[in-house]
Amino acid sequence: EDQVTQSPEALRLQEGESSSLNCSYTVSGLRGLFWYRQDPGKGPEFLFTLYSAGEEKEKERLKATLTKKESFLHITAPKPEDSATYLCASGGYQKVTFGTGTKLQVIP
Amino acid sequence: NAGVTQTPKFRVLKTGQSMTLLCAQDMNHEYMYWYRQDPGMGLRLIHYSVGEGTTAKGEVPDGYNVSRLKKQNFLLGLESAAPSQTSVYFCASSQNRISTEAFFGQGTRLTVV
Repeated sequence: EDQVTQSPEALRLQEGESSSLNCSYTVSGLRGLFWYRQDPGKGPEFLFTLYSAGEEKEKERLKATLTKKESFLHITAPKPEDSATYLCASGGYQKVTFGTGTKLQVIP
Repeated sequence: NAGVTQTPKFRVLKTGQSMTLLCAQDMNHEYMYWYRQDPGMGLRLIHYSVGEGTTAKGEVPDGYNVSRLKKQNFLLGLESAAPSQTSVYFCASSQNRISTEAFFGQGTRLTVV
């Protein structure tokens, strides 16, 4: 059964304090590993797709990486506007499985 | 460019009442989805559609029905609402397959009392 586990559940950072969010996944036949950002009261917003182990993608202060079992979302020098819940999802052949998310709070 | 639009944003139902949630997308996407999001659980797929006139069951389809009469619209119906259907519902669309980036609507918060 496909499974996605995200850790930590919540993370509180000082502005400028870099950290990483973890996404562990098991899926038969990975077609893509997705990261989304979700702000309170809003729908998820697409950030990245990673397709194979070793791949990396960057967007502003965010960098996503992928291994055969995990993906990491690295946040460098975060700002308060980076506060949100970050969702990870694994895409199989006929199904996308979402994790429960990491709620990030960046304090000025 | 509106993307994915859901109607309504909030709704309170009494147990046993029925309602329809409407989703509209203007990106000419083939695939559309209905998810529910509950505290402590990941987004769970209710039903999905791979094209106009087609629908398929997702992970948690019981108590819901869907229709896709037009490519741009995907309707989610609750025939007899139950308190267990209290949730936030999200519609999403993707271009041409399931495992690709999806675009989500802003959500509908439904409370069944």
